[in-house]
Amino acid sequence: SAVISQKPSRDICQRGTSLTIQCQVDSQVTMMFWYRQQPGQSLTLIATANQGSEATYESGFVIDKFPISRPNLTFSTLTVSNLSPEDSSIYLCSVTIGGSGFDQPQHFGDGTRLSIL
Amino acid sequence: GENVEQHPSTLSVQEGDSAVIKCTYSDSASNYFPWYKQELGKRPQLIIDIRSNVGEKKDQRIAVTLNKTAKHFSLHITETQPEDSAVYFCAAPRNTNAGKSTFGDGTTLTVKP
Repeated sequence: SAVISQKPSRDICQRGTSLTIQCQVDSQVTMMFWYRQQPGQSLTLIATANQGSEATYESGFVIDKFPISRPNLTFSTLTVSNLSPEDSSIYLCSVTIGGSGFDQPQHFGDGTRLSIL
Repeated sequence: GENVEQHPSTLSVQEGDSAVIKCTYSDSASNYFPWYKQELGKRPQLIIDIRSNVGEKKDQRIAVTLNKTAKHFSLHITETQPEDSAVYFCAAPRNTNAGKSTFGDGTTLTVKP
């Protein structure tokens, strides 16, 4: 498995500002993903972070709102831009090791709990 | 796209009883079926998974069964314990170029001592 460090663990932000979340893995991984989990809800995939190229976004999520970087095989960031109360949620990164995509177990970070004032 | 339905949404059992959670999926191309457990305030963690070339897999008190014809798979927990109380998510991801990881809505399992 992999050790995943996600920072910050929580934050409280003002409307209209942005927050960048970091995901660092202790070994090279195949794929990195970003999810949103609203309280009491399931996990919703935001995007797949691609190394050295633009992320692949799921329906309903756009790059302007959720810019993602993945400069190498062990690190990725998710920025949530122009924050509004609807963005209050838990954001999680996950990784897979080996294989070619979603046909492998996902390992999740501890999540970032974001609250908007 | 993939559609995953998970039932029941809540399940309460007495300690020692069995618990069964079922998921149905729509995409016949799906070939990997994991189950994740998420304790309150913690990250989701894989507890068991199954691939489409087998019908059942067991790990101590936990088992998963897969019926590809009917497109459903189930999580079975026997001899439940209070520490099994958590939210359980199934997933039926499909490996496509666009990427899609579809999770069920989750089942909140409560094991009463």
